[in-house]
Amino acid sequence: GENVEQHPSTLSVQEGDSAVIKCTYSDSASNYFPWYKQELGKGPQLIIDIRSNVGEKKDQRIAVTLNKTAKHFSLHITETQPEDSAVYFCAASKGTSYGKLTFGQGTILTVHP
Amino acid sequence: NAGVTQTPKFQVLKTGQSMTLQCAQDMNHNSMYWYRQDPGMGLRLIYYSASEGTTDKGEVPNGYNVSRLNKREFSLRLESAAPSQTSVYFCASSGGGVADTQYFGPGTRLTVL
Repeated sequence: GENVEQHPSTLSVQEGDSAVIKCTYSDSASNYFPWYKQELGKGPQLIIDIRSNVGEKKDQRIAVTLNKTAKHFSLHITETQPEDSAVYFCAASKGTSYGKLTFGQGTILTVHP
Repeated sequence: NAGVTQTPKFQVLKTGQSMTLQCAQDMNHNSMYWYRQDPGMGLRLIYYSASEGTTDKGEVPNGYNVSRLNKREFSLRLESAAPSQTSVYFCASSGGGVADTQYFGPGTRLTVL
């Protein structure tokens, strides 16, 4: 089955700096790659996603890049703010009718004021 | 709309006790999922229901059963709880199409003593 590895497990940055989280996946048939943000005591919430026919996608301060040849994708957050502090999860999915996701282990991001 | 709701929010069980975690969604979604979240392991799929009337095993189904009561509700049952089932449980739902966003509930924190 699919295996998703996520790095780093923890990331500490100063406010205004950029943060990058990287994921690799094992199944070349995977074609959908969402990123979730989980705040303390809450469920994960989708922040951005990318499909395999796209190399990069941006949404304000957040961007995701995908390299299908190398089987890795990354989350980039620019101009970080304290409210970006949370746990971030990457995931991968093949094109199935129910959208089964395999998650990475998570990255705890801390943005210091 | 409430989105995805879960009850209870917290539960403490003794080894061998049984309980049912409840999940409901009001987004008219076809697919529903149960995940467990353990430190350093991301979210792992326990069971899913691609559509009303169907259920199937995920990555870690042992010790659990599910019921898709109707389109809105999807319950998870622990017949004989074990300490290894101490975890945070999340329910999610999606439209059911390929690469549809999964929306998560707030979670149930379960401790088995």
